[in-house]
Amino acid sequence: KAGVTQTPRYLIKTRGQQVTLSCSPISGHRSVSWYQQTPGQGLQFLFEYFSETQRNKGNFPGRFSGRQFSNSRSEMNVSTLELGDSALYLCASSFRTNTGELFFGEGSRLTVL
Amino acid sequence: AQSVTQLGSHVSVSEGALVLLRCNYSSSVPPYLFWYVQYPNQGLQLLLKYTSAATLVKGINGFEAEFKKSETSFHLTKPSAHMSDAAEYFCAVSGGSGTASKLTFGTGTRLQVTL
Repeated sequence: KAGVTQTPRYLIKTRGQQVTLSCSPISGHRSVSWYQQTPGQGLQFLFEYFSETQRNKGNFPGRFSGRQFSNSRSEMNVSTLELGDSALYLCASSFRTNTGELFFGEGSRLTVL
Repeated sequence: AQSVTQLGSHVSVSEGALVLLRCNYSSSVPPYLFWYVQYPNQGLQLLLKYTSAATLVKGINGFEAEFKKSETSFHLTKPSAHMSDAAEYFCAVSGGSGTASKLTFGTGTRLQVTL
């Protein structure tokens, strides 16, 4: 069974631009969560989607948004990029939304110049 | 609100020695607790989880953790370290059913294994 796939793996943007990251969950998994990982703040929860509905949201500004499609694939978008948005963005999927047993992708490393 | 504190950002052990990584939690509700491992340039992998069943939890790769409510701890141990165990380890907590995917992670402990 294929794991969680995130694209792109690496990308470089400049301040003010926007970026869209994609995540394909493990087949059959309906819950997708997103996390931001930085050296300073560590791992922080962004949001979680289940059956195309956002179920939980972390403490991030409105510039961070996401969505989930009917096939469970998910995208997250960051608008008006700031230098501090440079991070590894991790997507995780799970079969249900109430287990905490998450399967992570390898992440998308975003560098904002 | 839930939080976890990992004591020691770096731990170094000799190959074959006991591994002990410390984690203390704070939770206003019965917690779900997890240990994840991250190898360089990879995502996180679940090692083990506690969800209010047995207090001694066995995970993959020979790791185990014991939930101690009186000490609010969930320390990770392995009797004998291997070189392949070198990685960063994260303790995490969630509020249980309904928010179980909203994990709050500790700051991580980097494990170094020396010959």
